[in-house]
Amino acid sequence: EVQLVESGGGLVQPGGSLRLSCAASGFTFGTYDMHWVRQATGKGLEWVSAIGSAGDTYYAGSVKGRFTISRENAKNSLYLQMNSLRAEDTAVYYCVRVWGNAFDIWGQGTMVTVSS
Amino acid sequence: QSGLTQPPSVSAAPGQKVTISCSGSSSNTGSNYVSWYQQLPGTAPKLLIYDNNKRPSGIPDRFSGSKSGTSATLGITGLQTGDEADYYCGTWDSSLSAVVFGGGTKLTVL
Repeated sequence: EVQLVESGGGLVQPGGSLRLSCAASGFTFGTYDMHWVRQATGKGLEWVSAIGSAGDTYYAGSVKGRFTISRENAKNSLYLQMNSLRAEDTAVYYCVRVWGNAFDIWGQGTMVTVSS
Repeated sequence: QSGLTQPPSVSAAPGQKVTISCSGSSSNTGSNYVSWYQQLPGTAPKLLIYDNNKRPSGIPDRFSGSKSGTSATLGITGLQTGDEADYYCGTWDSSLSAVVFGGGTKLTVL
C-alpha cells in the first residue's frame, strides 16, 4: 500500500525549531518529487515547500530562509527543518507526493503549534 | 503569494448539479495544468481531478473538470450528501516558482 506518515509535530515556543519527518512506503520514493503543504485550523491549503527527485528545492515566500526541506532516499524519508517559528506557522503539515502535475498521495498530517 | 480565486461556498439539492470556479492568471492557471482536491471533514485532501480534466482511478464520472483561458471549473452531478466537503483547486505558478491553491469552496448539499 502506498503510504505517507508524518511525525515530529508538537508544541514549540515562538522562535523555536522543529523537524518534521515523513516516512514513505509502497513506492520508489527516490523517483518522485515531494512537497509539504500546511493548513491552519479552519483555513485553506497553503503550499510550503518542494524537493525534486534530483534534489532541487523550492519554498513559499513566507517560509524562505527559515525552513529547509530535505530528503534521504535510502531511508525513504522526507524532512522539513523549521527554524525561527512564528505563531502564524501553526498548522497541520501534510507530506504530499507529486504524480505528474498533481498531488496524488497525502499523509494524515502532523500538527505544529507555535505558542508560548 | 497570490492565490487562486474560488467562491467561498456553493450549495445545491441532492441529485442536482453544481459547478465551482477557479480563477487565476497567465502565470498559473493560464499556462499550467489545474488539479482539484476534495477534503472531507477531519481528513486529508484527496485528488479528484488532474491535468485540468482527468479523473484518477476510483473517482466516479460524476466529477468533471474543465479549463478555459485562466479559469478552471469543477463540476459535480448527481449530488449526494457524502459530497459535502471543501474543494480546492491548485496549480504551479511559473512566475513565483511555487504551487498556488484556491481559498477553498465549501459545498453544502441541502
